[in-house]
Amino acid sequence: DAGVIQSPRHEVTEMGQEVTLRCKPISGHDYLFWYRQTMMRGLELLIYFNNNVPIDDSGMPEDRFSAKMPNASFSTLKIQPSEPRDSAVYFCASSLDRFTDTQYFGPGTRLTVL
Amino acid sequence: AQTVTQSQPEMSVQEAETVTLSCTYDTSENNYYLFWYKQPPSRQMILVIRQEAYKQQNATENRFSVNFQKAAKSFSLKISDSQLGDTAMYFCAFMKPQETSGSRLTFGEGTQLTVNP
Repeated sequence: DAGVIQSPRHEVTEMGQEVTLRCKPISGHDYLFWYRQTMMRGLELLIYFNNNVPIDDSGMPEDRFSAKMPNASFSTLKIQPSEPRDSAVYFCASSLDRFTDTQYFGPGTRLTVL
Repeated sequence: AQTVTQSQPEMSVQEAETVTLSCTYDTSENNYYLFWYKQPPSRQMILVIRQEAYKQQNATENRFSVNFQKAAKSFSLKISDSQLGDTAMYFCAFMKPQETSGSRLTFGEGTQLTVNP
């Protein structure tokens, strides 16, 4: 299995620009999670989906952040407009089902907003 | 809400020796899972080991083992025969399984482990 795939691996953009991060979960996994990692706040759960439906988005910091999962093999996290404080590593993770629960992480996207 | 605490921001060990990383957590739940994840310089988050709270036997994965003390809410990771490739940030994580929806991971602050040659 290819594991969780994220793109791009690095993104540098200017303040005010729209940023879209992409994730392909492990095939057959029902759950998809988006996390953000910063030095100040550590690893934070932003949102997660079950069978393409958002279950809990309470971790999404602001309305500038949005996430979609149009099908079982693809999800996006969008920031519009981006700000320097959004600079972080964004991880996508997936898990098989609620019985198995172990989450497998992608390689992350390092976002830098200038 | 659950909290996870790793009281050792940094640790170092000589190659081939054994090191133990500490983790404590706070919860009122009886059924839950605990994990150790490893994050090397590549930033990849790699699952090291998993423990179900209902199991009394400590989980082991090759050189990695845990000491799970449920009453004390302690979950330490022991790495035997440390290798240079074990150098990484190690995160302890807690998960309460949800009946009808997915399960959230709560992470500790991490412990940076350096294995010295």
